[in-house]
Amino acid sequence: EVQLVESGGGLIQPGGSLRLSCAASGFTVNSNYMSWVRQAPGKGLEWVSVIYSGGGTYYADSVRGRFTISRDSSKNTLYLQMNSLRAEDTAVYYCARVYSDYLNFDYWGQGTLVTVSS
Amino acid sequence: QSALTQPASVSGSPGQSITISCTGTSSDVGYYNYVSWYQQHPGEAPKLMIYDFSKRPSGVSNRFSGSKSGNTASLTISGLQAEDEADYYCSSYTSSSTWVFGGGTKLTVL
Repeated sequence: EVQLVESGGGLIQPGGSLRLSCAASGFTVNSNYMSWVRQAPGKGLEWVSVIYSGGGTYYADSVRGRFTISRDSSKNTLYLQMNSLRAEDTAVYYCARVYSDYLNFDYWGQGTLVTVSS
Repeated sequence: QSALTQPASVSGSPGQSITISCTGTSSDVGYYNYVSWYQQHPGEAPKLMIYDFSKRPSGVSNRFSGSKSGNTASLTISGLQAEDEADYYCSSYTSSSTWVFGGGTKLTVL
């Protein structure tokens, strides 16, 4: 059974850093495309970043240069390093597996809340 | 990376059909068939309902169907049921190798 479990969220001051983790089971992170999607309180979904099976990465304009997506094959875990955090980064962050044949998000974690506030 | 355009809300009575539109550009919805739809109930993670603009994952009711014409995709739910009440989001892969979501549509079953 495919499962994704996010962790690492919390309250952080503006300008601070946080690393989110997404532990996967039932499949191999390195062999799949993996993505982060976020949702600000009461708002819609916003795509954040993707890491392809070959290692290539892409980012939304709103986070490029501040966020870094990565993975650890030994832990079968996806990460999102978030630096220079802003109030507008406050959101629930979901990790999701991308079905590579049709480039949709077929499995989602339950999300972890990041609150950026002083 | 402008969001795809969806109506903010739609409503229908049990048993009726509703359609939610999702309008993008020639760089996203109109560029590929990689349009997908997600259902989200309050406090839950999104759930994939339609992919490749018209395909249904295993386990999703055949009351859900998708279509696409040019830069606009649509999700139709027939035989509305109370449990269909949720937020619905469209998403498209783009020519820039990124993804974009719609702003979301709140479906109310009257």
